[in-house]
Amino acid sequence: QSALTQPPSASGSPGQSVTISCTGTSSDVGGYDYVSWYQQHPGKAPKLMIYEVTKRPSGVPDRFSGFKSGNTASLIVSGLQTEDEADYYCSSYAGTIPVLFGGGTKLTVL
Amino acid sequence: QVQVVQSGAEVKKSGASVRVSCRASGYTFTNYYIHWVRQAPGHGLEWMAMINPSGGSTTYAQKFQGRVTLTRDTSTSTVYMEISSLRSEDTAVYYCATSMVVALGVWGQGTMVTVSS
Repeated sequence: QSALTQPPSASGSPGQSVTISCTGTSSDVGGYDYVSWYQQHPGKAPKLMIYEVTKRPSGVPDRFSGFKSGNTASLIVSGLQTEDEADYYCSSYAGTIPVLFGGGTKLTVL
Repeated sequence: QVQVVQSGAEVKKSGASVRVSCRASGYTFTNYYIHWVRQAPGHGLEWMAMINPSGGSTTYAQKFQGRVTLTRDTSTSTVYMEISSLRSEDTAVYYCATSMVVALGVWGQGTMVTVSS
């Protein structure tokens, strides 16, 4: 099974909103409501930001939100802050593969 | 608080095996699955395998089937990942992480495994 498709890069200015997409198939993203998003700063372990498409773990700012339409999930970061600059990875349950990652998106805050 | 702590960095020769540990604390060990994810230098995340600490059942990505083995020790709340027949492409940071379903909620600090020829 192929990795989920994410744009390699995204950018925005402080205070703006940015959307990162994650495209799969009906066998993964489109077939289950088990999409997660992770933030990873350089040299650090990933951090769970969104799970089950729209849910935020305790402590994650409500500037981060997620949604899904068909085979594409999206992470929206509103009110961009400099500390949001990081790599973002989506993942989805894919049946025989419990966790299928996207290739990652490098978010730059201009 | 819930945390998982991994063993330290390893340097191995091609063809050798390596075992990395992941010790959990702050919760009931058998309540959460433990997953292993790796990240080669400059690359993205790659899911490898998971274990159910309750019964010990395992699931492996096809790519790692037969070369990666997960075991657990419930007396010490520790999961072990062993990789055999190491090759240079296995050089990566290896992470363990907990999950209740498939969202990886708490991650270890990562273990760098370097494979040299």
